[in-house]
Amino acid sequence: GQQVMQIPQYQHVQEGEDFTTYCNSSTTLSNIQWYKQRPGGHPVFLIQLVKSGEVKKQKRLTFQFGEAKKNSSLHITATQTTDVGTYFCADRGRGSTLGRLYFGRGTQLTVWP
Amino acid sequence: DVKVTQSSRYLVKRTGEKVFLECVQDMDHENMFWYRQDPGLGLRLIYFSYDVKMKEKGDIPEGYSVSREKKERFSLILESASTNQTSMYLCASSLFEYGKTNEQFFGPGTRLTVL
Repeated sequence: GQQVMQIPQYQHVQEGEDFTTYCNSSTTLSNIQWYKQRPGGHPVFLIQLVKSGEVKKQKRLTFQFGEAKKNSSLHITATQTTDVGTYFCADRGRGSTLGRLYFGRGTQLTVWP
Repeated sequence: DVKVTQSSRYLVKRTGEKVFLECVQDMDHENMFWYRQDPGLGLRLIYFSYDVKMKEKGDIPEGYSVSREKKERFSLILESASTNQTSMYLCASSLFEYGKTNEQFFGPGTRLTVL
C-alpha cells in the first residue's frame, strides 16, 4: 500500500524559533493533507495540497508540495506555545481506496517559552 | 459544525470481554473510519466504510470487526479483548465528493484499557 514517511518524530524548539516537518514517499503522492493534534485532543484538518510545486500559507504556517510530488513540508515561522502538538501529513488513496488517507507517523512539536 | 461523537472517553475492560465502541456523526457523511493511535506509531486505520452495510479492511483489522447499520453510526467491535488492544481509538468521518477536499473530521477518542 501507499506509505508516507514523516520526519522528524520529535522536535523541541525555543519559542520564536522556526520549525519544519517533512513528508516523503518513494512513489508519487496523490493529494497531501495536513492535520494538527493538540495534546489531549483529536486531529484537526489544516490544509490540502494537490498540485505539483504548490505553496500555501496560513499566517505563520507555510505548506509546500514538491515538484515531483514525492515530498511535502510544513514550516512554522517564529513558533509560539500555541503551536505545540503533533502534526500529521496524509496521502489520499487511489482507485478502490480513494476515500481513505495514509497517514505519516507524525512530528511531535514541543515549544519552550 | 460537523460533530463526531464517541460513546465513551475512557473505558476499562477485562481480557476476553466483548467490547463495543460507538461513533455517531451528524453531517450525513458517506465515509466513516476507525483508527487506533499508539505513541510513536501515529494513526493506524483499522476499518472504514463507504456506505451503509459496507466495510473495508484497513491496515490492522485483526481482532476487530465493524458494523454500519445506519449512515450516521459506525461501531467497532472487539470480539474478545486482549491487553495488546489497549489504545486510544479515534473515529472519523468525511464526505466523498469528486474534486472536493473530503477532509476527515475526528471524534474526541476513546481511551480503552484492557486488564
